Amino acid sequence: GESVGLHLPTLSVQEGDNSIINCAYSNSASDYFIWYKQESGKGPQFIIDIRSNMDKRQGQRVTVLLNKTVKHLSLQIAATQPGDSAVYFCAEREGYSTLTFGKGTMLLVSP
Amino acid sequence: NAGVTQTPKFRILKIGQSMTLQCTQDMNHNYMYWYRQDPGMGLKLIYYSVGAGITDKGEVPNGYNVSRSTTEDFPLRLELAAPSQTSVYFCASSNYGTGNTEAFFGQGTRLTVV
Repeated sequence: GESVGLHLPTLSVQEGDNSIINCAYSNSASDYFIWYKQESGKGPQFIIDIRSNMDKRQGQRVTVLLNKTVKHLSLQIAATQPGDSAVYFCAEREGYSTLTFGKGTMLLVSP
Repeated sequence: NAGVTQTPKFRILKIGQSMTLQCTQDMNHNYMYWYRQDPGMGLKLIYYSVGAGITDKGEVPNGYNVSRSTTEDFPLRLELAAPSQTSVYFCASSNYGTGNTEAFFGQGTRLTVV
């Protein structure tokens, strides 16, 4: 069936660097794309979402970019901090259906 | 703000035993979900509910059952535990009817079947 996947399983950055986490999706009918952060031992936490009719959305220190031509989604984190270390999942949703999650990318931030 | 509360946090079951994972939310959300997360993997949907009295299967429903008698509660039942059900289980809720995409997750239940 349709799936959402990630290019990089682990991303290591230095504190203060900008991080970019990528995601490929295959369901062109998805209406929303969402990024979640999961810290060790906790449930996923919503970060930001973007509608399929947009190509960019900014939040606090985060930006999500959507390229529908190549079915690619990215999460940019500015001035990465140690507290950003976590697993990041992209997810997609069609209409009012359920979320489909990708496998996740581990972000490791070194001081 | 309790949000989504799951109990228990940890459980060890023997093969063939049964148990119920409890989930309750206090946000009056219409949608509720059960996911399982295997090590190093994403979340797979087991069952979901769009409101009290309505449930539907997700991607991996075999070996599980659910009920939704109230808006607040969405218990997940394992009837005959198998080692393949060793996983971390997450309950979540959302209010998608308002156009909001955010789902709120519980802290998870780590289940080991031996």
